[in-house]
Amino acid sequence: GAVVSQHPSWVICKSGTSVKIECRSLDFQATTMFWYRQFPKQSLMLMATSNEGSKATYEQGVEKDKFLINHASLTLSTLTVTSAHPEDSSFYICSARMVGESSPLHFGNGTRLTVT
Amino acid sequence: GQNIDQPTEMTATEGAIVQINCTYQTSGFNGLFWYQQHAGEAPTFLSYNVLDGLEEKGRFSSFLSRSKGYSYLLLKELQMKDSASYLCVPQDSNYQLIWGAGTKLIIKP
Repeated sequence: GAVVSQHPSWVICKSGTSVKIECRSLDFQATTMFWYRQFPKQSLMLMATSNEGSKATYEQGVEKDKFLINHASLTLSTLTVTSAHPEDSSFYICSARMVGESSPLHFGNGTRLTVT
Repeated sequence: GQNIDQPTEMTATEGAIVQINCTYQTSGFNGLFWYQQHAGEAPTFLSYNVLDGLEEKGRFSSFLSRSKGYSYLLLKELQMKDSASYLCVPQDSNYQLIWGAGTKLIIKP
């Protein structure tokens, strides 16, 4: 089955620093990957769609200069939270799907970010 | 607008059967997924329905009625590990997944 690997699982950083999160599709090529954020007891919120070889598409209200996305290959997308602040503390989850409308999203294990 | 309606929380007993209902409104429709999400973890895929009817997969079954904008997830022989949130996720005409808050299922011994 499709496997998505996400690293790190958790990270604690100081306010003002940047954090990079990696997302890899291990056994399939993903031209598109999706980055979600989830606050406690809330639903998943799509932040952006990462497209291999081109610019990411950001959802309304998500700052593209703060959440930098790079999708340099068919198996790797990265999300960098720049100048992190405590309000950026959240659960970040990447996902990818194989080709086909019935193909489900497969999620990485998520990254719990805590900004102190 | 796009909307999903599921009970916020349900409680069931170990070994029993529980049905989690979902009604949805989307801009177009291209199937519906059910996901399970344990606390503090990422969602995992359970089932997909695109045509009306019942899809059975082990202890879990999912039903869809497109004309009614209705789906349910049926869990049989409940186990303690089934305690989780269950997310009904329709896919709209642009193949965008629409996420709600899901139903938190609590299993009691």
